[in-house]
Amino acid sequence: AQSVAQPEDQVNVAEGNPLTVKCTYSVSGNPYLFWYVQYPNRGLQVLLKYITGDNLVKGSYGFEAEFNKSQTSFHLKKPSALVSDSALYFCAVTTSGTYKYIFGTGTRLKVLA
Amino acid sequence: GAGVSQSPSNKVTEKGKDVELRCDPISGHTALYWYRQSLGQGLEFLIYFQGNSAPDKSGLPSDRFSAERTGGSVSTLTIQRTQQEDSAVYLCASRSGVSSYEQYFGPGTRLTVT
Repeated sequence: AQSVAQPEDQVNVAEGNPLTVKCTYSVSGNPYLFWYVQYPNRGLQVLLKYITGDNLVKGSYGFEAEFNKSQTSFHLKKPSALVSDSALYFCAVTTSGTYKYIFGTGTRLKVLA
Repeated sequence: GAGVSQSPSNKVTEKGKDVELRCDPISGHTALYWYRQSLGQGLEFLIYFQGNSAPDKSGLPSDRFSAERTGGSVSTLTIQRTQQEDSAVYLCASRSGVSSYEQYFGPGTRLTVT
């Protein structure tokens, strides 16, 4: 069965420090991976996506993620966190030829001033 | 261009009443999805449309839930005889086609059943 795991419900980090939000997945076939951010009372916005190509993907607001096929991971990273990065982050996966997306349970990121 | 829009943004209803939630996808997007997000929780898939057809309704929680899409565009999610456990944010997303993998989400409708 296809699945996405975000092992941390919440991540706290001090402003200016690097941040990592973890995501691992399990799918049949080649994965297409996404990170979405949700600010309070807003819908989800895509931060970055991996479809094909370089394993290191750069996205919006200085975020990046590395697709690691052997570890089936797609961790979200940022070198220097901002208070404004505080939000709910979702990892999602789909595969070629399917319409269905599997979402992780979400990780709440809190950046402390 | 215009993104996905949803209306109303907030809906408060009494238990037992019917509600209709509307989604306007991005123009030209053939795929449309409905999800439910309970307070602080992840996304629960409800239904998927390709054009006006719904090949997968497996996520609808009960027969009180139904959805339709007309003209390959606007979709309506209807909840009959609402219950308190239906309280959640209902999110709509659209996608341009089979070869495009990115979903675009609307702002959601927050439903509160009192």
